[in-house]
Amino acid sequence: EAQVTQNPRYLITVTGKKLTVTCSQNMNHEYMSWYRQDPGLGLRQIYYSMNVEVTDKGDVPEGYKVSRKEKRNFPLILESPSPNQTSLYFCASSTGQGGTEAFFGQGTRLTVV
Amino acid sequence: GQNIDQPTEMTATEGAIVQINCTYQTSGFNGLFWYQQHAGEAPTFLSYNVLDGLEEKGRFSSFLSRSKGYSYLLLKELQMKDSASYLCAASNFGNEKLTFGTGTRLTIIP
Repeated sequence: EAQVTQNPRYLITVTGKKLTVTCSQNMNHEYMSWYRQDPGLGLRQIYYSMNVEVTDKGDVPEGYKVSRKEKRNFPLILESPSPNQTSLYFCASSTGQGGTEAFFGQGTRLTVV
Repeated sequence: GQNIDQPTEMTATEGAIVQINCTYQTSGFNGLFWYQQHAGEAPTFLSYNVLDGLEEKGRFSSFLSRSKGYSYLLLKELQMKDSASYLCAASNFGNEKLTFGTGTRLTIIP
């Protein structure tokens, strides 16, 4: 089954404690991205990757890091989480060709206290 | 950059028709996506328009006017399960970056 898998689904952590949210896709997609979703603000892109070892900033990259060492995986790293990073996070992947749909993971609800 | 506008909330009656509008102001616009998102779940793809005109897919249709920077999603024969948020997203030419609107929360009432 074609899917994008994120882990964990829910996470509560404390300010400053480094964390990683994993994302893996089994569709051999070249393009992967991370979004955060906040009430009234919609989905905003954090980082994206057009292929292995190629990553770039989206609209709200501050406080986040990513890596793309393998085609299937695109982890999101918060080196020092802060309460304003409390949000619902989605990973997505697509073929990288114009007009193709993006497949989203099930989301990670992160709370930073 | 891209600026996407869509209504925040709409209510419609089961069995009826509803139209959700989306306007965009963009640089490098390529095409327009519509996604459906049920509360707490992942967005799922509904439609993609790159050419002007209407694309019909079952109960759902989507329209695009590139010259007016305007799109709409038309839902017919509404069912209770259509209660969800509907996200309009513009894609950029040359890459896969999507810029989303804030979404329209649609509530279907009996």
